Amino acid sequence: NAGVTQTPKFQVLKTGQSMTLQCAQDMNHEYMSWYRQDPGMGLRLIHYSVGAGITDQGEVPNGYNVSRSTTEDFPLRLLSAAPSQTSVYFCASRDFWNTGELFFGEGSRLTVL
Amino acid sequence: QQQVKQSPQSLIVQKGGIPIINCAYENTAFDYFPWYQQFPGKGPALLIAIRPDVSEKKEGRFTISFNKSAKQFSLHIMDSQPGDSATYFCAASTDNDMRFGAGTRLTVKP
Repeated sequence: NAGVTQTPKFQVLKTGQSMTLQCAQDMNHEYMSWYRQDPGMGLRLIHYSVGAGITDQGEVPNGYNVSRSTTEDFPLRLLSAAPSQTSVYFCASRDFWNTGELFFGEGSRLTVL
Repeated sequence: QQQVKQSPQSLIVQKGGIPIINCAYENTAFDYFPWYQQFPGKGPALLIAIRPDVSEKKEGRFTISFNKSAKQFSLHIMDSQPGDSATYFCAASTDNDMRFGAGTRLTVKP
């Protein structure tokens, strides 16, 4: 099992550009989420999904869109990147029915100039 | 405002010492309290977790102490080793919402 796979690992954007961070999991978890990690702020929840076709906002959703067409994939879209979106982004899936554990990907470091 | 407050921000101990990291939460709906360990360049990984029906959980050298009435919980690392040097995050969760503390950077000196 690969677990949670994120691509790309690194990306540099100019202000106003758009991009999609990809996330895939092979553990058949219904719940998936996106966090951003900034120094001194911990991990903040952006959006989450409890199953295909269902998404909801987290703590810091502004400037980000998500969709969930399959159980495996949960892409995060930045429609018009801003320097404030410079961060490390983590995708995670959650094993609700056993331990409740959140499994994280290795992260995507995004820089917006 | 941050729903989970974590302290200290950083901690340096000698090998064999017992670092203690503390967290406090606001929302009484939280019912799952994990600790995550993160090494540089990697995603966080679950270390140990507790539910509010117990006051302590021990796994190897790691112990969570939980005080439901005070809405506080802490991580103790017994016989700490240089390999434990990492950033530690506490978290508190309902079914759909896991909120994290700001993190503690632990350094264990040889």
